[in-house]
Amino acid sequence: EPEVTQTPSHQVTQMGQEVILRCVPISNHLYFYWYRQILGQKVEFLVSFYNNEISEKSEIFDDQFSVERPDGSNFTLKIRSTKLEDSAMYFCARGTSGPNEQFFGPGTRLTVL
Amino acid sequence: GESVGLHLPTLSVQEGDNSIINCAYSNSASDYFIWYKQESGKGPQFIIDIRSNMDKRQGQRVTVLLNKTVKHLSLQIAATQPGDSAVYFCAEKISGGYNKLIFGAGTRLAVHP
Repeated sequence: EPEVTQTPSHQVTQMGQEVILRCVPISNHLYFYWYRQILGQKVEFLVSFYNNEISEKSEIFDDQFSVERPDGSNFTLKIRSTKLEDSAMYFCARGTSGPNEQFFGPGTRLTVL
Repeated sequence: GESVGLHLPTLSVQEGDNSIINCAYSNSASDYFIWYKQESGKGPQFIIDIRSNMDKRQGQRVTVLLNKTVKHLSLQIAATQPGDSAVYFCAEKISGGYNKLIFGAGTRLAVHP
């Protein structure tokens, strides 16, 4: 099955600025996830989103982060005031009809200066 | 102090040989496991999965083995090819959770002609 597309592929921002990362599912899925991967490190779970609600979030996903699916299609991750340590690859993943399998998008590289 | 990335263990194999990549998972309550392949600059690519009620599952050129007694997972790749060179991650899902995947540290597979 096709995965998701993510935009932009690379985002450079100044510390303190807001960024919005977008995930566009190829078809209509119910389960969405955001993960991040700091350079050279393992993939870390941020948040899961099911039926237009957050179902679980990690300790990384603090008040600076938010997710939404504003138009029923795009799935967005917003970081309100970026910090240097937010620099990472951010991956969107989607689930199939069953919740287990997760297929990842190509990622957005976020660089905070 | 400056943070550093994880030093990934590396498995070097000759083209055509079989590869075995190992993973120790953390939670005895995990009921679902996935192996992902990640090439440089790309998102994790789903390879194969296994549920905790199984101890072996085979795909095309890949086999996953699960030993719940010692919380060990392995990925076997038959007739390894240069295109198999990548970082391989195991991921686990804890039973009853909202499908959050917990990733391992990863193993780099280097295939030499």
